[in-house]
Amino acid sequence: AQSVTQPDIHITVSEGASLELRCNYSYGATPYLFWYVQSPGQGLQLLLKYFSGDTLVQGIKGFEAEFKRSQSSFNLRKPSVHWSDAAEYFCAVGPVSTGNNRKLIWGLGTSLAVNP
Amino acid sequence: EAQVTQNPRYLITVTGKKLTVTCSQNMNHEYMSWYRQDPGLGLRQIYYSMNVEVTDKGDVPEGYKVSRKEKRNFPLILESPSPNQTSLYFCASRDTSTYNSPLHFGNGTRLTVT
Repeated sequence: AQSVTQPDIHITVSEGASLELRCNYSYGATPYLFWYVQSPGQGLQLLLKYFSGDTLVQGIKGFEAEFKRSQSSFNLRKPSVHWSDAAEYFCAVGPVSTGNNRKLIWGLGTSLAVNP
Repeated sequence: EAQVTQNPRYLITVTGKKLTVTCSQNMNHEYMSWYRQDPGLGLRQIYYSMNVEVTDKGDVPEGYKVSRKEKRNFPLILESPSPNQTSLYFCASRDTSTYNSPLHFGNGTRLTVT
């Protein structure tokens, strides 16, 4: 069955430290992969996506992610975290087609706290 | 500015009192969808719409209705809300002219049913 696992429910890092958020997936074919961020009181905003090609993708706000097919992973990284990066991060994989609906399978999210 | 607008942002109501959460997008997207977000359960799709007058159930449609009379609007209707519908709700839209274009989300509606 298709699934997305974000092993870390909550992570705390110090401002300026590096960050890696893990995402593992189970999907029968080549997946489309997404990372979204949800800041407090906000909707989900797309950080980056992977469809094909270069397995290291760059996103907004200085984030990047690397697709590793052999490990079924799509980990999100940032070299130096800012206090404004404190948010909930969601990994998603798709498409999963049911009829006309091509939807994503969502991870449960990783909550990031940033210490000053 | 391209956006998905939900209203209201916060809503407290009582069991059984009908309510509507509005959603509007200005990107001319054909696809729109509603989700609820609950701790430990993640994001679950309630209903989706492929175009005007074309709607269908998602994963958790019980207790909800939707309509799509205009392309830009996709209201979520709870005709008899119950406490188990207390949740954070998100509307989203997507451009279907590009395969797997990303979803654009509204800022959410936090609903409390007492």
